[in-house]
Amino acid sequence: DQQVKQNSPSLSVQEGRISILNCDYTNSMFDYFLWYKKYPAEGPTFLISISSIKDKNEDGRFTVFLNKSAKHLSLHIVPSQPGDSAVYFCAASKRAQKLVFGQGTRLTINP
Amino acid sequence: GAVVSQHPSWVICKSGTSVKIECRSLDFQATTMFWYRQFPKQSLMLMATSNEGSKATYEQGVEKDKFLINHASLTLSTLTVTSAHPEDSSFYICSARDRGQGGDSPLHFGNGTRLTVT
Repeated sequence: DQQVKQNSPSLSVQEGRISILNCDYTNSMFDYFLWYKKYPAEGPTFLISISSIKDKNEDGRFTVFLNKSAKHLSLHIVPSQPGDSAVYFCAASKRAQKLVFGQGTRLTINP
Repeated sequence: GAVVSQHPSWVICKSGTSVKIECRSLDFQATTMFWYRQFPKQSLMLMATSNEGSKATYEQGVEKDKFLINHASLTLSTLTVTSAHPEDSSFYICSARDRGQGGDSPLHFGNGTRLTVT
């Protein structure tokens, strides 16, 4: 039962353009959502989070949008930079319980 | 920022032997640490929740006698893969939440341990 889904295994974006990574979830009890960035052979690094009481959270080049009715969140990166190339995982939890991760999306930024 | 140190970063062992992986929170205390496993091109799968001073909570399908977890202090949790087999070869990652922050604070991850069982 995949409660958190990232349906795009990969995404390629030109440098300077906007990268949009998508994530869907099925459990309406989730109330906290996070995005992590992961390089090969390293642990995930926290990027940005959003609680269910908000629909948008922004931190520099990264913005996360939450659409609770659609059970969908997205991560926008603008402008995209070569160093953004990595695998991005979305994750969700309910009331500070364990995190459930999506399958990840490999983002490649082309110069 | 919060740092989680995981050691070793990679290990090769023979079938039948045991391997211990350490996870330390360097600049914060963690009453709870989490152990994940990642297969190539797949998501991080939670194996167990390690609770300081008490027994770990294992996810369904994870053998507690095979993956021994000890959370002896607020800064250290260990995962021991006992009687390792080639199918245990994987990338193991620990994470911890700063107990000084709210329950919704993000998890901080170690850099992972690549285990190869020959």
